[in-house]
Amino acid sequence: GESVGLHLPTLSVQEGDNSIINCAYSNSASDYFIWYKQESGKGPQFIIDIRSNMDKRQGQRVTVLLNKTVKHLSLQIAATQPGDSAVYFCAETLGGGYNKLIFGAGTRLAVHP
Amino acid sequence: GAVVSQHPSWVICKSGTSVKIECRSLDFQATTMFWYRQFPKQSLMLMATSNEGSKATYEQGVEKDKFLINHASLTLSTLTVTSAHPEDSSFYICSAPPSMVNTEAFFGQGTRLTVV
Repeated sequence: GESVGLHLPTLSVQEGDNSIINCAYSNSASDYFIWYKQESGKGPQFIIDIRSNMDKRQGQRVTVLLNKTVKHLSLQIAATQPGDSAVYFCAETLGGGYNKLIFGAGTRLAVHP
Repeated sequence: GAVVSQHPSWVICKSGTSVKIECRSLDFQATTMFWYRQFPKQSLMLMATSNEGSKATYEQGVEKDKFLINHASLTLSTLTVTSAHPEDSSFYICSAPPSMVNTEAFFGQGTRLTVV
């Protein structure tokens, strides 16, 4: 389930289960969205992106869903593995991705064996 | 893929001193770099946009005179934290914007600054 930590909410899942991480973005004019994974002490790592003209995009074990009506993004991770444990951020930008990224609050994913 | 190299990865300095953080694009030219700050258990907050050959653009609430940004060439942007204080202790990260080729923002490894 979900719990609120000091600042980051935490999603705890069992290894092998599917994970769904949610994000609310702020600007209805944003047209490009990216999900990042960040491990402790490292910079963000690109996972998957989606443009505003799409509702869904699939990658390897990951799927991003975009709901522009309610300004909501989700990241689905299939068959979650211990190596997926990290903090996940969504980011939004204007101009098709050439401009500054605005990051969401982030969610910590904890995968238990 | 494109690589952004950030140095140093960590630094400890005394209060009142200045610290310079370098961000290099290794295999591409970056006319723009973004500098972010991240406090523990928080998200990345954009501090400023570094522009090659012109002044940086700072976000609201970021002190220009304290966080000096220089984009001297198409492959190097620097952030200097001047007269550092303990409250400046944070994780600083640079990134290049998504490009037409890669559509990813490439991030440096980050710099952990501790001011004592």
